[in-house]
Amino acid sequence: QSVLTQPPSASGTPGQRVTISCSGTSSNIGSNTVEWYQRLPGTAPKLLIYSNNQRPSGVPDRFSASKSGTSASLAISGLQSGDEADYYCAAWDDSLNGHVVFGGGTQLTVL
Amino acid sequence: QVQLQESGPGLVKPSETLSLTCTVSGGSINSYYWNWIRLPPGKGLEWIGHIYYTGRTQYTPSLKSRVTISLDTPKNHISLKLSSVTAADTAVYYCARSGSKYGSDAFDIWGQGTVVSVSS
Repeated sequence: QSVLTQPPSASGTPGQRVTISCSGTSSNIGSNTVEWYQRLPGTAPKLLIYSNNQRPSGVPDRFSASKSGTSASLAISGLQSGDEADYYCAAWDDSLNGHVVFGGGTQLTVL
Repeated sequence: QVQLQESGPGLVKPSETLSLTCTVSGGSINSYYWNWIRLPPGKGLEWIGHIYYTGRTQYTPSLKSRVTISLDTPKNHISLKLSSVTAADTAVYYCARSGSKYGSDAFDIWGQGTVVSVSS
């Protein structure tokens, strides 16, 4: 069972806006930044969002994210078939000498 | 550009030690954190631990007693050793870099991953 809680699945039709939630606690999301990763089928994860809401160069602005308290969310607008992937949130957790925790992942299906 | 490549046995027997190497090419190990992350079949990502270029390590609590991550700076290698493996350690193992301009906890470069199965 993952420390950060994500819905196991999400779906949308092309052009729609989809959001994925990520819930944590005061020792992780509540006190550290949140990162989001996209894992396309058969590939390694890719950094999608860093520092709660920043996009690395090359990531389209269709991807956005926010954080409030102990929760975070990822939004994908103008959904495309190529967005079909697993999405993971992650954060540093200050407990037990510190470690990184991930969400269980959300499988996004484009209908 | 910097690339990471994992290598090691694809099959390990139960109770033995899993040993993997991550080779960094196109850049230096210095000034970054080097992480091991795994993806068990049907499950989510799990951070195993990291080593800073100075040699300081941190591990995830659930694996701390069985894990060792080390550096071979002249060879640009990062090694992972996981002892007393069981079937639960079957996973795709990734090495990843953090500590870049994107922050100390953002994994900005990943290897392609290597599949390790634990079976007799």
